Amino acid sequence: DAGITQSPRHKVTETGTPVTLRCHQTENHRYMYWYRQDPGHGLRLIHYSYGVKDTDKGEVSDGYSVSRSKTEDFLLTLESATSSQTSVYFCAISGQGNGYTFGSGTRLTVV
Amino acid sequence: TQLLEQSPQFLSIQEGENLTVYCNSSSVFSSLQWYRQEPGEGPVLLVTVVTGGEVKKLKRLTFQFGDARKDSSLHITAAQPGDTGLYLCADFNAGNNRKLIWGLGTSLAVNP
Repeated sequence: DAGITQSPRHKVTETGTPVTLRCHQTENHRYMYWYRQDPGHGLRLIHYSYGVKDTDKGEVSDGYSVSRSKTEDFLLTLESATSSQTSVYFCAISGQGNGYTFGSGTRLTVV
Repeated sequence: TQLLEQSPQFLSIQEGENLTVYCNSSSVFSSLQWYRQEPGEGPVLLVTVVTGGEVKKLKRLTFQFGDARKDSSLHITAAQPGDTGLYLCADFNAGNNRKLIWGLGTSLAVNP
């Protein structure tokens, strides 16, 4: 039973439309992260959260916003999708141990 | 800014061969983690090493941490097709909102 789920798994959207990706955890972990993964760039941190309503920017935050109104949910919004935001998006959680647990990812295509 | 370099970038081998991949940092690791990412999935933590000179084994995988804590290697013995994936190293700093600094990974293909 996965402790972290992402939805949707796949999405195709048009340029200029807003898009929201959801990350849901059942582990009650304080820390949650949104990454994008692109060939040649690896995993890049978009935003992260260190508690309910406590969020901060990562290294590639332009064009993205996040919200965390509950411990279990961390939402990533692309305010106006562009082709450069075509990517695979991963959510991760970090708890008592040192490691991250990742979701299965969302493959987003902006056309 | 800390940089992590992983080598080789790509590796394609036959089943049963041994291999070693490397992770080098421009500065001392806080603690080093190795992850494996299978196609279409998120990375999965394999091991965390903290102490210089540390060696950890996970079945056919052997992880070594350099004495100076600036480099690490992952050795796989008798590789199997199930070992195929992207191997990522990362520096974990619990004091920096538990953020990770990632290498770009080594993409391993083990052919039957």
